[in-house]
Amino acid sequence: GAGVSQSPSNKVTEKGKDVELRCDPISGHTALYWYRQSLGQGLEFLIYFQGNSAPDKSGLPSDRFSAERTGGSVSTLTIQRTQQEDSAVYLCASSRGSSETQYFGPGTRLLVL
Amino acid sequence: SQQGEEDPQALSIQEGENATMNCSYKTSINNLQWYRQNSGRGLVHLILIRSNEREKHSGRLRVTLDTSKKSSSLLITASRAADTASYFCATDAGGTSYGKLTFGQGTILTVHP
Repeated sequence: GAGVSQSPSNKVTEKGKDVELRCDPISGHTALYWYRQSLGQGLEFLIYFQGNSAPDKSGLPSDRFSAERTGGSVSTLTIQRTQQEDSAVYLCASSRGSSETQYFGPGTRLLVL
Repeated sequence: SQQGEEDPQALSIQEGENATMNCSYKTSINNLQWYRQNSGRGLVHLILIRSNEREKHSGRLRVTLDTSKKSSSLLITASRAADTASYFCATDAGGTSYGKLTFGQGTILTVHP
């Protein structure tokens, strides 16, 4: 299909390990977003890429979190030295432009043991 | 932090009945979006309503927006068991928050056949 795809769909890791989560946005969408959904905090914005502009990182919870978007398409969210509180579903979304409809991927469910 | 507050937190109805969910927010917005989430899956976009719009329809869905009261409602008419899901409102505040969505805690809707 032509929707947003994310991989892996599930990831189990040990505390202290690094993880990489991947997002493939809808072709032609210039904006890409990462959100996190956890039981305690609900749905939270993490980071936003728009075209070639500097990303808006204002939602990243700590410097252990980082994200890249290569070639204006695929994005990778990296969590270093994972902690148990990082356990959540990480959702990626893309849109044609800022303030347009955001289309979400199925998410990556991360469990840190 | 969550800007939106949704009411009710849970709603249980019979098939064929209408379901109304409300969302209140605190700051001015550029647009407001409603999403549906089936358990453990990604978010499905329902309707986007801009700040200069008062009402939008899509099939059995009707969304209203009252910017003076900073509130929105989602009405699902003639509900079906397949409408059982969590429903979230999300606001795009524009300005320096352009494109970032702030989600409410959601309403859990259960439609009994």
